[in-house]
Amino acid sequence: DSGVTQTPKHLITATGQRVTLRCSPRSGDLSVYWYQQSLDQGLQFLIHYYNGEERAKGNILERFSAQQFPDLHSELNLSSLELGDSALYFCASSAAGSEAFFGQGTRLTVV
Amino acid sequence: AQTVTQSQPEMSVQEAETVTLSCTYDTSENNYYLFWYKQPPSRQMILVIRQEAYKQQNATENRFSVNFQKAAKSFSLKISDSQLGDTAMYFCAFPNTDKLIFGTGTRLQVFP
Repeated sequence: DSGVTQTPKHLITATGQRVTLRCSPRSGDLSVYWYQQSLDQGLQFLIHYYNGEERAKGNILERFSAQQFPDLHSELNLSSLELGDSALYFCASSAAGSEAFFGQGTRLTVV
Repeated sequence: AQTVTQSQPEMSVQEAETVTLSCTYDTSENNYYLFWYKQPPSRQMILVIRQEAYKQQNATENRFSVNFQKAAKSFSLKISDSQLGDTAMYFCAFPNTDKLIFGTGTRLQVFP
């Protein structure tokens, strides 16, 4: 158990819909990262939050947004969903500059 | 720009043998960490080993060890006494202050 909790584990939704993925980092970790992994692909960095502030953005679509709350949990919002958004979405947390620990991921299927 | 390169898309090894996965990176920083992650068929991302750049000694975790060549910016993973459970994708990763950069991965198949 990495200590990082992601919910839900699985999500099936229709095109055009909006979903919210939730992440609770390890106790004490201020950094939260979001990654997208399509089938048999590598990890695409989406966004990084540190102690409530956005630190870096990767290839994140305008339809996607994220935030980190005062209790350090984070949410990734995906809207106007398309078939191509089907993927495994990972959240990871870390202390500054150290290794990141990953949640089990949310498997999103858009139908 | 900081990059991580894994030049071996796929590798295979027989059970009980040793295999080495390659990783090179590019950075202008002097102090940093490097990591190897394993992603088995369950798709869980598991930290295998980490190396601190200021330490000359190569990191070791049971059957997993690294060959860290700082000047060459090389960070390879050696798996000794390979087991069927080692079958997975392996990703090399390099963190900077803003994000964790991953290589494209090496798919390792361990055969009986």
